[in-house]
Amino acid sequence: DSGVTQTPKHLITATGQRVTLRCSPRSGDLSVYWYQQSLDQGLQFLIQYYNGEERAKGNILERFSAQQFPDLHSELNLSSLELGDSALYFCASSSGAKNTDTQYFGPGTRLTVL
Amino acid sequence: QKEVEQDPGPLSVPEGAIVSLNCTYSNSAFQYFMWYRQYSRKGPELLMYTYSSGNKEDGRFTAQVDKSSKYISLFIRDSQPSDSATYLCAFNGAIQGAQKLVFGQGTRLTINP
Repeated sequence: DSGVTQTPKHLITATGQRVTLRCSPRSGDLSVYWYQQSLDQGLQFLIQYYNGEERAKGNILERFSAQQFPDLHSELNLSSLELGDSALYFCASSSGAKNTDTQYFGPGTRLTVL
Repeated sequence: QKEVEQDPGPLSVPEGAIVSLNCTYSNSAFQYFMWYRQYSRKGPELLMYTYSSGNKEDGRFTAQVDKSSKYISLFIRDSQPSDSATYLCAFNGAIQGAQKLVFGQGTRLTINP
């Protein structure tokens, strides 16, 4: 158990809908990262937050947004969902923002868009 | 050209065999090299981490980096059925204050008893 929690475990929704995925980092960790894992694209970095501020951005679609709250938990919002958004979404956390900090991954949220 | 190339396998070997997993990369800015292990229906977990060319050993695992060839390897000695998982190489450029890990596609490994 990495200490990173994600809810919900599974999410099934329809095209065009909006969903929110939630992540609680390990105790004391200030950085949160979001990743998308699909069969064709593999594991792809979406976005990083450090202590409430956006630090790095990957290939995150404009329909997707994230934020990190004062209690350091983070939410990833996915809107106008398409079939291709079906994937595993992982959250990871690390203690700080150094690029040598180890990232600890949560168990993931499996999103199915029908 | 993809930044990272990793053979997705699947790779199936008998218990006790030596396993060799490899990745090539094209981005010279990558300075940190990692191997993650991902069991089915779980999140990836860090297995090995290195930042220099050469070998790094941890128990039955050895990570090897050749920066001149842009090639990294993970060797597993005396492989066990519990090593059956997907192994992902990962890379990180030296971007101050930020981490943008780039992952390989992952190699699915099965160790047969």
